[in-house]
Amino acid sequence: NAGVTQTPKFQVLKTGQSMTLQCAQDMNHNSMYWYRQDPGMGLRLIYYSASEGTTDKGEVPNGYNVSRLNKREFSLRLESAAPSQTSVYFCASSEPQGADEQFFGPGTRLTVL
Amino acid sequence: GQSLEQPSEVTAVEGAIVQINCTYQTSGFYGLSWYQQHDGGAPTFLSYNALDGLEETGRFSSFLSRSDSYGYLLLQELQMKDSASYFCATGGSYIPTFGRGTSLIVHP
Repeated sequence: NAGVTQTPKFQVLKTGQSMTLQCAQDMNHNSMYWYRQDPGMGLRLIYYSASEGTTDKGEVPNGYNVSRLNKREFSLRLESAAPSQTSVYFCASSEPQGADEQFFGPGTRLTVL
Repeated sequence: GQSLEQPSEVTAVEGAIVQINCTYQTSGFYGLSWYQQHDGGAPTFLSYNALDGLEETGRFSSFLSRSDSYGYLLLQELQMKDSASYFCATGGSYIPTFGRGTSLIVHP
């Protein structure tokens, strides 16, 4: 099992460009999440999907959109990138019962110039 | 809303015991989790407390007091490889919230 995979691993964009970050999990989890991590700020939730067909805003959704394509895949789109979106982006999945352990992908390191 | 407070940095020597505290304020509370993250890596799950008391997993233990809105992670027999960031996190209604993380530096 690959767990949670993310593509790309690294990306450099110019201000105003758009891109989509891809995430897939093979653990048959219902819930998926997108976080951003900035120095000293911990992990902040951008969007989440409690189950296939549903998505909801997290703490910092502005400037982002998401699509829960199917149970396995959850993508994050930046329509018009801004330097403030320079960050490390993590996708995670979980089965929200008991410990609700989240499994994280390796991350995408995004720089917006 | 939810917020979790934890110290930004803790230092200790190899072989020692260290405690990382976490206090939280949440509108709904399902339990307290702990994650470890090495530099450049992804967070990995360490432990979870749904009920008051101590949970032990090898060298790591985690404690929760719901009445005090407080928990801690205890690391025993510290090793150099334990140098990492540690995050407490709580989830409720599918909206997990993470603390800002504690950087643990282990010295020889």
